Amino acid sequence: GENVEQHPSTLSVQEGDSAVIKCTYSDSASNYFPWYKQELGKRPQLIIDIRSNVGEKKDQRIAVTLNKTAKHFSLHITETQPEDSAVYFCAASAGHTDKLIFGTGTRLQVFP
Amino acid sequence: GAGVSQSPSNKVTEKGKDVELRCDPISGHTALYWYRQSLGQGLEFLIYFQGNSAPDKSGLPSDRFSAERTGGSVSTLTIQRTQQEDSAVYLCASSLWTDTDTQYFGPGTRLTVL
Repeated sequence: GENVEQHPSTLSVQEGDSAVIKCTYSDSASNYFPWYKQELGKRPQLIIDIRSNVGEKKDQRIAVTLNKTAKHFSLHITETQPEDSAVYFCAASAGHTDKLIFGTGTRLQVFP
Repeated sequence: GAGVSQSPSNKVTEKGKDVELRCDPISGHTALYWYRQSLGQGLEFLIYFQGNSAPDKSGLPSDRFSAERTGGSVSTLTIQRTQQEDSAVYLCASSLWTDTDTQYFGPGTRLTVL
């Protein structure tokens, strides 16, 4: 079955710096890769996703890149702000409402 | 519109008791998922419903866990003879049966087994 690995487990940055979180997946059939942000005690919230027919997607300060050959995808947050502090999860699925297989999460701390 | 809702928000039970957790998906969402999140861990898939049927139960950790969905809407996750290792946050998500795969999560039920 699918296995998703996520690094780093914790990440601390100064406000205004960029943050990068990386994930690898094992199942070449996976074609949908969402990223969720989870604040303490809250539900996971989708922040961006990418499908395997594109290599990059951007939404304001957030971007995701996908390398299908290497089976890895990354989340890039630019101009970080303290409110970006949260746990970020990557996930992969075979698409069309298939189950999500999650990475173990990255705790991002943005210091003012 | 209303998002995914779950009840109860917190449940404390004694080892050996049965518990039922409820999920109300977003109206019109035919796909429903249950995940489990242990303290400080990622989300672990449990079961997936399409309508009232469960084509993927592969994540249920033991036969003490079961789930049902009636009327293509509300789902109940039942854990029988609870054990301390069942303590976790149980999250429900739903999505539309279209090419869109986005899963929307509920707030979760925090289960504590004493």
